[in-house]
Amino acid sequence: DSGVTQTPKHLITATGQRVTLRCSPRSGDLSVYWYQQSLDQGLQFLIQYYNGEERAKGNILERFSAQQFPDLHSELNLSSLELGDSALYFCASNRAGAPQETQYFGPGTRLLVL
Amino acid sequence: AQKVTQAQTEISVVEKEDVTLDCVYETRDTTYYLFWYKQPPSGELVFLIRRNSFDEQNEISGRYSWNFQKSTSSFNFTITASQVVDSAVYFCALSEEEYGNKLVFGAGTILRVKS
Repeated sequence: DSGVTQTPKHLITATGQRVTLRCSPRSGDLSVYWYQQSLDQGLQFLIQYYNGEERAKGNILERFSAQQFPDLHSELNLSSLELGDSALYFCASNRAGAPQETQYFGPGTRLLVL
Repeated sequence: AQKVTQAQTEISVVEKEDVTLDCVYETRDTTYYLFWYKQPPSGELVFLIRRNSFDEQNEISGRYSWNFQKSTSSFNFTITASQVVDSAVYFCALSEEEYGNKLVFGAGTILRVKS
């Protein structure tokens, strides 16, 4: 158990809908990362937050947004969902968000868009 | 450009065999960090090891060992006396000082250990 929690574990929804994925980092970690794992794209970095502020952005679609709250939990919002958004979404955390730090991953949220 | 290549898509071995998973990376940064993660069938990503670009010392942890060679830009992972529980997808990843804190992952190698 990495100490990172993600809810829900599974999510099934329809095209055009909006969903929110939630992540709680390990105790003491200030930085949160979101990754998408899909069959065609592999594991891809989406976005990073540090202590409530966006720090780095990757291949995140405009239909997707995220935020980190004062209690340090983070939410990833996916809107106007398409079939291709079906994937496993991971959250990871570490203490200071530095590249030398290990990122510890949550169990993931498996999203299926029908 | 940052890139991680795991050329072996899938490897099958019989229990107790040794197996090496290859990882080759590309970077222009002089300071970078390499990681291995394991993804068992249950789906979570489990951290195995971190190595920085200044430390070429090989590491052994139980049945696991890692060989880091800057000259060939490789960071290979060997499992000695493989067990069925080692069956998983293994990912190599890279992070760099210059490009921020994201991890760039390889495509992963599926390891199947048969009894």
